[in-house]
Amino acid sequence: DGGITQSPKYLFRKEGQNVTLSCEQNLNHDAMYWYRQDPGQGLRLIYYSQIVNDFQKGDIAEGYSVSREKKESFPLTVTSAQKNPTAFYLCASSPRPGAGTEAFFGQGTRLTVV
Amino acid sequence: RKEVEQDPGPFNVPEGATVAFNCTYSNSASQSFFWYRQDCRKEPKLLMSVYSSGNEDGRFTAQLNRASQYISLLIRDSKLSDSATYLCVVLRGTSYGKLTFGQGTILTVHP
Repeated sequence: DGGITQSPKYLFRKEGQNVTLSCEQNLNHDAMYWYRQDPGQGLRLIYYSQIVNDFQKGDIAEGYSVSREKKESFPLTVTSAQKNPTAFYLCASSPRPGAGTEAFFGQGTRLTVV
Repeated sequence: RKEVEQDPGPFNVPEGATVAFNCTYSNSASQSFFWYRQDCRKEPKLLMSVYSSGNEDGRFTAQLNRASQYISLLIRDSKLSDSATYLCVVLRGTSYGKLTFGQGTILTVHP
């Protein structure tokens, strides 16, 4: 089955540690996105990538880094510079945008700083 | 001003009611529009795309007004299972674009 997979589902991090969230898609989609969602809030864009080896900062990129070495994969690293990393992280992908093009989401990763 | 704005609600309606949500967007270059549904602690899922001519899917009707830069979602004959957060999504650009989400509107349908 085609889809988008995020792992792990739950992640605990100690303060000062970097952690990497995985996002893999086998939908052959060009664009991939990382969003952060805090309780009772909407989705805020962290980074997005439109093609391999290229990515752009979203609205809240500080304290995060990404790479896009393969079309299928778009990992997100939450660095120690991110002051409030506890949140629900969602990865999405979409084909070449056009009228009616939708985005597909992974099931999300809940990151908690302990 | 936020690029995509929604009334966060919450909207509390009885079963069978008709409810409407609006969403405004600020960038006139926006090209594609969607409504997503998000259940508690789950990922968002596409409810429907929004076309210029308006479109209907069962009890759900979506409208786009480019001149006023807003989209709407109408839900008729509300069901308990419609309780969720409804997210307005705007895609800017015609080639590779950026998806921007509204903060979501919370709907609770009660018996």
